[in-house]
Amino acid sequence: NAGVTQTPKFRVLKTGQSMTLLCAQDMNHEYMYWYRQDPGMGLRLIHYSVGEGTTAKGEVPDGYNVSRLKKQNFLLGLESAAPSQTSVYFCASSYLTGTSGRAGEQFFGPGTRLTVL
Amino acid sequence: GQSLEQPSEVTAVEGAIVQINCTYQTSGFYGLSWYQQHDGGAPTFLSYNALDGLEETGRFSSFLSRSDSYGYLLLQELQMKDSASYFCAVRVEGGSTLGRLYFGRGTQLTVWP
Repeated sequence: NAGVTQTPKFRVLKTGQSMTLLCAQDMNHEYMYWYRQDPGMGLRLIHYSVGEGTTAKGEVPDGYNVSRLKKQNFLLGLESAAPSQTSVYFCASSYLTGTSGRAGEQFFGPGTRLTVL
Repeated sequence: GQSLEQPSEVTAVEGAIVQINCTYQTSGFYGLSWYQQHDGGAPTFLSYNALDGLEETGRFSSFLSRSDSYGYLLLQELQMKDSASYFCAVRVEGGSTLGRLYFGRGTQLTVWP
Protein backbone atom coordinates (compact mmCIF):
# COMPACT_ATOMS: atom_id res chain seq x y z
CA ASN A 1 0.00 0.00 0.00
CA ALA A 2 1.22 3.48 -0.87
CA GLY A 3 -0.61 5.08 2.07
CA VAL A 4 -1.15 8.80 1.46
CA THR A 5 0.44 10.36 -1.60
CA GLN A 6 0.59 14.00 -2.67
CA THR A 7 1.21 15.64 -6.03
CA PRO A 8 3.26 17.70 -6.71
CA LYS A 9 6.12 17.62 -4.20
CA PHE A 10 7.35 21.12 -5.03
CA ARG A 11 5.85 24.06 -6.86
CA VAL A 12 6.68 27.72 -7.45
CA LEU A 13 3.85 30.06 -8.40
CA LYS A 14 3.60 33.70 -9.24
CA THR A 15 1.09 35.87 -7.40
CA GLY A 16 -2.35 35.46 -8.95
CA GLN A 17 -1.73 32.07 -10.51
CA SER A 18 -3.93 29.11 -9.67
CA MET A 19 -3.11 25.51 -8.94
CA THR A 20 -4.53 22.30 -7.54
CA LEU A 21 -2.84 19.98 -5.07
CA LEU A 22 -3.86 16.36 -5.28
CA CYS A 23 -4.03 13.95 -2.36
CA ALA A 24 -4.75 10.25 -2.73
CA GLN A 25 -5.08 7.49 -0.13
CA ASP A 26 -5.49 3.76 -0.58
CA MET A 27 -6.53 2.86 2.98
CA ASN A 28 -10.27 3.31 2.43
CA HIS A 29 -10.35 6.09 5.04
CA GLU A 30 -13.50 8.16 5.43
CA TYR A 31 -11.84 11.30 6.77
CA MET A 32 -9.35 13.40 4.86
CA TYR A 33 -7.66 16.67 5.80
CA TRP A 34 -5.55 19.46 4.37
CA TYR A 35 -3.10 21.25 6.68
CA ARG A 36 -0.55 23.94 6.20
CA GLN A 37 2.63 24.14 8.22
CA ASP A 38 4.58 27.34 8.70
CA PRO A 39 7.69 27.79 10.83
CA GLY A 40 6.80 27.98 14.50
CA MET A 41 3.08 27.59 13.82
CA GLY A 42 2.55 23.86 13.96
CA LEU A 43 -0.09 22.31 11.73
CA ARG A 44 -3.20 24.33 10.96
CA LEU A 45 -6.25 22.76 9.41
CA ILE A 46 -7.43 24.34 6.15
CA HIS A 47 -10.37 22.13 5.13
CA TYR A 48 -11.43 18.60 5.83
CA SER A 49 -13.88 16.00 4.58
CA VAL A 50 -15.85 13.36 6.46
CA GLY A 51 -16.83 11.44 3.35
CA GLU A 52 -17.21 11.49 -0.40
CA GLY A 53 -18.99 14.61 -1.56
CA THR A 54 -18.70 16.44 1.78
CA THR A 55 -16.26 19.14 2.88
CA ALA A 56 -15.96 21.51 5.83
CA LYS A 57 -13.86 24.51 6.80
CA GLY A 58 -10.99 24.28 9.23
CA GLU A 59 -9.08 27.01 11.05
CA VAL A 60 -7.58 28.81 8.01
CA PRO A 61 -9.86 28.21 4.98
CA ASP A 62 -9.66 31.63 3.29
CA GLY A 63 -8.11 31.56 -0.16
CA TYR A 64 -8.56 27.80 -0.58
CA ASN A 65 -11.22 25.50 -1.96
CA VAL A 66 -11.51 21.73 -1.81
CA SER A 67 -13.36 18.90 -3.45
CA ARG A 68 -13.88 15.24 -2.58
CA LEU A 69 -15.49 13.70 -5.63
CA LYS A 70 -14.05 10.26 -4.93
CA LYS A 71 -13.47 8.69 -1.53
CA GLN A 72 -9.79 8.15 -2.18
CA ASN A 73 -9.01 11.66 -3.47
CA PHE A 74 -9.04 15.08 -1.83
CA LEU A 75 -8.13 18.13 -3.90
CA LEU A 76 -6.96 21.50 -2.60
CA GLY A 77 -7.27 24.48 -4.92
CA LEU A 78 -5.72 27.92 -4.83
CA GLU A 79 -7.66 30.17 -7.19
CA SER A 80 -5.39 33.23 -6.96
CA ALA A 81 -2.17 32.50 -5.11
CA ALA A 82 -0.72 35.05 -2.70
CA PRO A 83 2.74 35.19 -1.06
CA SER A 84 1.05 34.50 2.29
CA GLN A 85 0.19 31.04 0.98
CA THR A 86 3.86 30.10 0.77
CA SER A 87 3.95 27.07 3.03
CA VAL A 88 4.28 23.32 3.29
CA TYR A 89 0.96 21.60 2.69
CA PHE A 90 0.18 18.22 4.21
CA CYS A 91 -2.70 15.96 3.42
CA ALA A 92 -3.83 13.38 5.96
CA SER A 93 -6.48 10.71 6.31
CA SER A 94 -8.02 8.73 9.14
CA TYR A 95 -10.66 6.19 10.01
CA LEU A 96 -14.25 7.31 10.56
CA THR A 97 -14.30 6.59 14.25
CA GLY A 98 -11.98 5.09 16.75
CA THR A 99 -12.54 3.70 20.16
CA SER A 100 -9.16 2.14 20.57
CA GLY A 101 -5.82 3.65 21.38
CA ARG A 102 -5.40 4.77 17.78
CA ALA A 103 -8.47 7.01 17.71
CA GLY A 104 -6.25 10.07 17.49
CA GLU A 105 -4.21 8.74 14.59
CA GLN A 106 -3.99 10.44 11.24
CA PHE A 107 -1.84 9.25 8.36
CA PHE A 108 0.09 12.00 6.63
CA GLY A 109 1.38 12.36 3.09
CA PRO A 110 4.94 13.55 2.34
CA GLY A 111 3.93 17.18 1.84
CA THR A 112 3.97 19.76 -0.96
CA ARG A 113 6.35 22.67 -0.68
CA LEU A 114 4.74 25.70 -2.29
CA THR A 115 6.41 29.04 -2.89
CA VAL A 116 4.42 32.01 -4.14
CA LEU A 117 6.51 34.84 -5.53
CA GLY B 1 -11.57 28.06 21.02
CA GLN B 2 -8.76 25.60 21.45
CA SER B 3 -5.27 26.28 22.75
CA LEU B 4 -2.29 24.06 23.46
CA GLU B 5 0.97 24.95 25.12
CA GLN B 6 4.20 23.01 24.84
CA PRO B 7 7.85 24.08 25.17
CA SER B 8 9.47 25.25 21.97
CA GLU B 9 12.79 23.49 22.55
CA VAL B 10 14.24 20.70 24.66
CA THR B 11 17.78 19.32 24.63
CA ALA B 12 19.22 16.16 26.15
CA VAL B 13 22.11 13.74 25.72
CA GLU B 14 22.05 10.23 24.35
CA GLY B 15 20.81 7.67 26.81
CA ALA B 16 18.97 10.23 28.91
CA ILE B 17 15.25 10.59 29.62
CA VAL B 18 13.27 13.63 28.49
CA GLN B 19 9.71 14.72 29.18
CA ILE B 20 7.75 17.01 26.87
CA ASN B 21 4.75 18.61 28.52
CA CYS B 22 1.53 19.74 26.94
CA THR B 23 -1.26 21.72 28.55
CA TYR B 24 -4.50 22.42 26.77
CA GLN B 25 -7.68 24.42 26.98
CA THR B 26 -10.43 23.02 24.84
CA SER B 27 -14.10 22.25 24.65
CA GLY B 28 -15.31 18.83 23.65
CA PHE B 29 -12.04 17.14 24.66
CA TYR B 30 -11.87 13.54 23.54
CA GLY B 31 -8.20 12.59 23.70
CA LEU B 32 -4.57 13.66 23.35
CA SER B 33 -2.27 12.51 20.57
CA TRP B 34 1.46 12.85 20.03
CA TYR B 35 3.22 13.07 16.69
CA GLN B 36 6.87 13.05 15.66
CA GLN B 37 8.23 14.95 12.68
CA HIS B 38 11.79 14.84 11.40
CA ASP B 39 13.13 17.77 9.39
CA GLY B 40 11.67 17.70 5.90
CA GLY B 41 9.42 14.78 6.73
CA ALA B 42 5.78 14.11 7.43
CA PRO B 43 4.30 13.91 10.93
CA THR B 44 3.97 10.36 12.17
CA PHE B 45 1.68 9.13 14.92
CA LEU B 46 3.25 8.08 18.22
CA SER B 47 0.49 7.64 20.79
CA TYR B 48 -3.01 8.52 21.89
CA ASN B 49 -4.53 8.86 25.37
CA ALA B 50 -8.26 9.05 25.91
CA LEU B 51 -8.21 8.01 29.58
CA ASP B 52 -6.13 9.18 32.52
CA GLY B 53 -2.90 7.35 33.03
CA LEU B 54 0.21 6.18 31.30
CA GLU B 55 0.43 4.42 27.93
CA GLU B 56 3.73 2.75 27.09
CA THR B 57 5.02 1.90 23.65
CA GLY B 58 8.60 0.76 23.70
CA ARG B 59 10.91 3.63 24.67
CA PHE B 60 8.06 6.13 24.45
CA SER B 61 5.31 6.67 27.02
CA SER B 62 2.47 9.15 27.08
CA PHE B 63 0.50 10.37 30.07
CA LEU B 64 -2.80 12.16 30.41
CA SER B 65 -4.57 13.88 33.29
CA ARG B 66 -7.97 15.06 32.13
CA SER B 67 -8.70 16.86 35.39
CA ASP B 68 -5.51 18.93 35.00
CA SER B 69 -5.84 19.37 31.20
CA TYR B 70 -2.27 18.14 31.00
CA GLY B 71 -0.28 15.46 29.29
CA TYR B 72 3.30 14.58 28.56
CA LEU B 73 5.41 12.47 26.27
CA LEU B 74 8.28 10.62 27.93
CA LEU B 75 11.20 9.46 25.82
CA GLN B 76 13.63 7.03 27.44
CA GLU B 77 17.08 5.82 26.38
CA LEU B 78 17.37 8.72 23.97
CA GLN B 79 19.04 8.08 20.63
CA MET B 80 20.35 10.53 18.06
CA LYS B 81 17.52 9.55 15.72
CA ASP B 82 15.02 10.91 18.28
CA SER B 83 16.08 14.44 17.35
CA ALA B 84 12.89 15.78 15.79
CA SER B 85 9.88 17.97 16.46
CA TYR B 86 7.14 16.57 18.68
CA PHE B 87 3.58 17.81 18.51
CA CYS B 88 0.75 17.28 20.91
CA ALA B 89 -2.73 17.39 19.43
CA VAL B 90 -6.14 17.31 21.05
CA ARG B 91 -8.97 15.39 19.49
CA VAL B 92 -12.32 17.09 19.97
CA GLU B 93 -15.84 15.89 19.34
CA GLY B 94 -19.21 17.50 19.09
CA GLY B 95 -20.96 20.02 16.87
CA SER B 96 -19.25 20.54 13.56
CA THR B 97 -15.80 19.42 14.69
CA LEU B 98 -16.33 15.75 13.88
CA GLY B 99 -13.19 14.22 15.31
CA ARG B 100 -10.65 16.73 14.12
CA LEU B 101 -7.28 17.34 15.72
CA TYR B 102 -5.89 20.66 16.97
CA PHE B 103 -2.11 20.72 17.02
CA GLY B 104 0.30 22.52 19.32
CA ARG B 105 3.20 24.48 17.87
CA GLY B 106 5.67 21.70 18.44
CA THR B 107 8.74 21.04 20.60
CA GLN B 108 12.11 20.74 18.90
CA LEU B 109 14.09 17.98 20.62
CA THR B 110 17.84 17.93 20.08
CA VAL B 111 19.77 14.90 21.27
CA TRP B 112 23.50 15.41 21.76
CA PRO B 113 26.09 12.62 21.67
